[in-house]
Amino acid sequence: AQKITQTQPGMFVQEKEAVTLDCTYDTSDQSYGLFWYKQPSSGEMIFLIYQGSYDEQNATEGRYSLNFQKARKSANLVISASQLGDSAMYFCAMREGSDNNDMRFGAGTRLTVKP
Amino acid sequence: AAGVIQSPRHLIKEKRETATLKCYPIPRHDTVYWYQQGPGQDPQFLISFYEKMQSDKGSIPDRFSAQQFSDYHSELNMSSLELGDSALYFCASGGFGTEAFFGQGTRLTVV
Repeated sequence: AQKITQTQPGMFVQEKEAVTLDCTYDTSDQSYGLFWYKQPSSGEMIFLIYQGSYDEQNATEGRYSLNFQKARKSANLVISASQLGDSAMYFCAMREGSDNNDMRFGAGTRLTVKP
Repeated sequence: AAGVIQSPRHLIKEKRETATLKCYPIPRHDTVYWYQQGPGQDPQFLISFYEKMQSDKGSIPDRFSAQQFSDYHSELNMSSLELGDSALYFCASGGFGTEAFFGQGTRLTVV
């Protein structure tokens, strides 16, 4: 069963506006971690942000913030003040359990920032 | 800051040949992950190591094997290569429970 679901294959946003990329997950573990990565056309995977299941505050890193709604099992990425360089694939990933080491990815969302 | 180093960056092999991909994780990171990403697909988890011991196994074919050495570098060995093995292979280095950084990947082309 798919553990990480990204329902938006593609998204468009106007430069300087904010955009939310959706991610829902499925786990029965109490302890887990959620990650977001950016993959530009060059192919590298760039770590953006991390949210732990026990973290009470939503994670933020510069223009990136994670809207973590534990009861809904969602971990949406919010990018504020979009820039042209934000155009890329964005992947949500989850690592379950405190000692599991099998981080799994969603299908990704392709974000295009329009000038 | 030191990043995850993967070598080679590009590799071209013929069918039925073998390939070895190398990964040098970030110092003091305790976990190494290997992923395979086909064109237009999300990264598929292959295998991981925690403190040099195999930790979890994903969709890794029997033709592939991996290990982590005493200096923490890891190698992914691929034998009897098939055309379908052509992909981008990533290694990621994880530590402190909250970090997982990827290398730049090895692009393998099987001809």
